Amino acid sequence: GAVVSQHPSRVICKSGTSVKIECRSLDFQATTMFWYRQFPKQSLMLMATSNEGSKATYEQGVEKDKFLINHASLTLSTLTVTSAHPEDSSFYICSARDSGGDEKLFFGSGTQLSVL
Amino acid sequence: DAKTTQPPSMDCAEGRAANLPCNHSTISGNEYVYWYRQIHSQGPQYIIHGLKNNETNEMASLIITEDRKSSTLILPHATLRDTAVYYCIVRVRGSQGNLIFGKGTKLSVKP
Repeated sequence: GAVVSQHPSRVICKSGTSVKIECRSLDFQATTMFWYRQFPKQSLMLMATSNEGSKATYEQGVEKDKFLINHASLTLSTLTVTSAHPEDSSFYICSARDSGGDEKLFFGSGTQLSVL
Repeated sequence: DAKTTQPPSMDCAEGRAANLPCNHSTISGNEYVYWYRQIHSQGPQYIIHGLKNNETNEMASLIITEDRKSSTLILPHATLRDTAVYYCIVRVRGSQGNLIFGKGTKLSVKP
């Protein structure tokens, strides 16, 4: 099946630094990718929709200046958490749909961010 | 909001069939039923989806009631590695959008 690669799988950073998370579709093209956040013992919550070649669409309550999304190619979307704070510590997951395929969404393996 | 209702948790003995129910009484005619699962600290994994006919693949079977108001995911021979949170999601056919996750069912497979 289709593979979505997410990197890094785990990152620990100091408060105030920025962290970039990459999401790649390895064997298909994705005009749209989605970024989710998941806190412990909770379900996935959509943060933003990443559109290739255009601005991302953010869900209500998600700060676009804090969570920068870039989708420069059909196989890569990045999420940058700027000036991270401890409350940003969470599990971040990306997903993508094969633009030329059926309707299934494929998910990355997730990134556990811990901000000290 | 998620449009499905699932029991919060279930147990299953290893080697036995796991039957996970999902209620989607407000489902529309153009909405599919999708099942994903999430093993601890990993991203969700696609399992199966269907519209109105029963479906089977190498992972599971999906049984959808005739009125489409509920469905059951069947793992025929559960193993310890099937311990995960299972999400039942309804989604419009042809949708370009994301998946909306509810709370799912935490399935614990026990030896």
